[in-house]
Amino acid sequence: DTAVSQTPKYLVTQMGNDKSIKCEQNLGHDTMYWYKQDSKKFLKIMFSYNNKELIINETVPNRFSPKSPDKAHLNLHINSLELGDSAVYFCASSLDSYGYTFGSGTRLTVV
Amino acid sequence: AQTVTQSQPEMSVQEAETVTLSCTYDTSESNYYLFWYKQPPSRQMILVIRQEAYKQQNATENRFSVNFQKAAKSFSLKISDSQLGDTAMYFCAFMKLDSNYQLIWGAGTKLIIKP
Repeated sequence: DTAVSQTPKYLVTQMGNDKSIKCEQNLGHDTMYWYKQDSKKFLKIMFSYNNKELIINETVPNRFSPKSPDKAHLNLHINSLELGDSAVYFCASSLDSYGYTFGSGTRLTVV
Repeated sequence: AQTVTQSQPEMSVQEAETVTLSCTYDTSESNYYLFWYKQPPSRQMILVIRQEAYKQQNATENRFSVNFQKAAKSFSLKISDSQLGDTAMYFCAFMKLDSNYQLIWGAGTKLIIKP
């Protein structure tokens, strides 16, 4: 059983397209996150949801929109993809201060 | 604002050696948590070790241990008897208690274990 699963693992798409990445956790955690990891491996938080409520919304373009239908799911939709959006996107979940459990990441390549 | 600094961008050691990765952080908080995460080439992020700041005892997990120096705001990771599978990026992270559990990340250290 995968604790945090995100799909797809790889995504290659053309500039201007719209794409979604899905994330689901079966750990019963209250909080879920989206992170972007750039080519230098730096991790930057994008969004955080706690029980379907948005609690962290860092400075990201409006083209990125998270959606949490329930506390086990947090999807990321990206409109009008740009070359600079190419990165690895991680979903994660957490329960209090015990640390995060990460999904396996989605490598997005915009061509 | 809290910051986390990992001063070693890359390190390499021979298999079976012991290696220490450094991490320093800046905070005015007295209670917080510190973490080390490992990211092997498979890119999966794996929690290695967690330390509670109010506990003086250093956390250990098998071959992984930390040297937590609260006054110096230092949180180094020691890997004993290093193995080829330890080759990975290692990230240090800080969590404030009332921060919605947000992690503040260091830039990472790339560790290469040579056969």
